[in-house]
Amino acid sequence: GDSVTQMEGPVTLSEEAFLTINCTYTATGYPSLFWYVQYPGEGLQLLLKATKADDKGSNKGFEATYRKETTSFHLEKGSVQVSDSAVYFCALSPAYNFNKFYFGSGTKLNVKP
Amino acid sequence: EPEVTQTPSHQVTQMGQEVILRCVPISNHLYFYWYRQILGQKVEFLVSFYNNEISEKSEIFDDQFSVERPDGSNFTLKIRSTKLEDSAMYFCASKNSGNTIYFGEGSWLTVV
Repeated sequence: GDSVTQMEGPVTLSEEAFLTINCTYTATGYPSLFWYVQYPGEGLQLLLKATKADDKGSNKGFEATYRKETTSFHLEKGSVQVSDSAVYFCALSPAYNFNKFYFGSGTKLNVKP
Repeated sequence: EPEVTQTPSHQVTQMGQEVILRCVPISNHLYFYWYRQILGQKVEFLVSFYNNEISEKSEIFDDQFSVERPDGSNFTLKIRSTKLEDSAMYFCASKNSGNTIYFGEGSWLTVV
């Protein structure tokens, strides 16, 4: 079945470091791919998305490219800030059913000043 | 910016009691969802709701659970006879005809 696997955390970085959070997926066809972020004490917020192969989603300095050949959607940011500390969830919505979402287990990011 | 709102933010209940979690989806949205996240685990799909009926539900969503849209704005999740393993964060979500869903801040349920 469809699923998402993301790297386990926590990930601890110093401010201005480069961030990569790996996400790979298993799905039929061409799902839509998402990154959601959960800041402490808050709900899940959409960070970025990509709906077809080679699309790049971007927002707030974060980027992720939909790679069909490697079934990946890795999240990157060139220079993290303390305010980026949160839990990041990779998710997919199957091409055959946009009513459904599958989430990864979440990766906690801690950014130290 | 419109948002999904949920109440209560945190509820503690005794095992065997009934719990109702409430949600107000974004006003022009047509599809409504409940997800849950047990501490340290994945966000899991429970149920989707469209056109005043359940459109899909997971294996988790058994007879203990029910959903309702009683008045055209609220969307509720009822858990009958709660069990310890029902302790989780419950997220309400909604979407329009697109493929992006918007989540509320969650209701943290603790069953003791």
